[in-house]
Amino acid sequence: DIQMTQSPSSLSASVGDRVTITCRASQVINNHLAWFQQKPGKAPKSLIYAASSLQGGVPSKFSGSGSGTDFTLTINSLQPEDFATYYCQQYNTYPLTFGGGTKVEIK
Amino acid sequence: EVQLVESGGGWVQPGGSLRLSCAASGLTFSDHYMDWVRQAPGKGLEWVARIRNRAKSYTTEYAASVEGRFTISRDDSKNSLFLQMHSLKIEDTAMYYCASSAGDSSLFYFVANWGQGDLVTVSS
Repeated sequence: DIQMTQSPSSLSASVGDRVTITCRASQVINNHLAWFQQKPGKAPKSLIYAASSLQGGVPSKFSGSGSGTDFTLTINSLQPEDFATYYCQQYNTYPLTFGGGTKVEIK
Repeated sequence: EVQLVESGGGWVQPGGSLRLSCAASGLTFSDHYMDWVRQAPGKGLEWVARIRNRAKSYTTEYAASVEGRFTISRDDSKNSLFLQMHSLKIEDTAMYYCASSAGDSSLFYFVANWGQGDLVTVSS
């Protein structure tokens, strides 16, 4: 199975900050990488697919990059509604696998 | 607006069975691959199963942890997805999410939409 490693597992940031989360795959997954946001008690929400393509309705403050094994999610100008847990997932190979999550908290 | 609404969850004893359903609207259901994803209390996301569309002969994929115990199926005429779960274990306790998946430019399928989830509790 492909292991997805996210870092950091948690971070504290202030409103207005720029935040970067990394996700590393244990094997090459080309650009078949998605990012999700989950707020406490809520279902996940899809943000990005194909490493860098925004899902419809997702604000452009979110951006993704990377290919192969190393990927990043960047959130510009962090707002209160952005404080959540973020997950990456590879969809290149079965079984599909998620990273462990990155919890973004308010400093 | 895409809506995915799960039902059928609840409490079941270890070794028991349960069938989850997901009613879809706001999308051309028959075009999409469909997934089940679960989340144990306080834990991360775990992909459970996928069923492809009619063009791909409704073929299925499973996580090793559920293979042989769970069966994913769909009824395109009713825009519905199912997960039949047998031989349930305590570690199957989780929120189960129905998800619809779309193809990217290279025709690899990614999760695009999520249901609100349905809780399955396996306990004696």
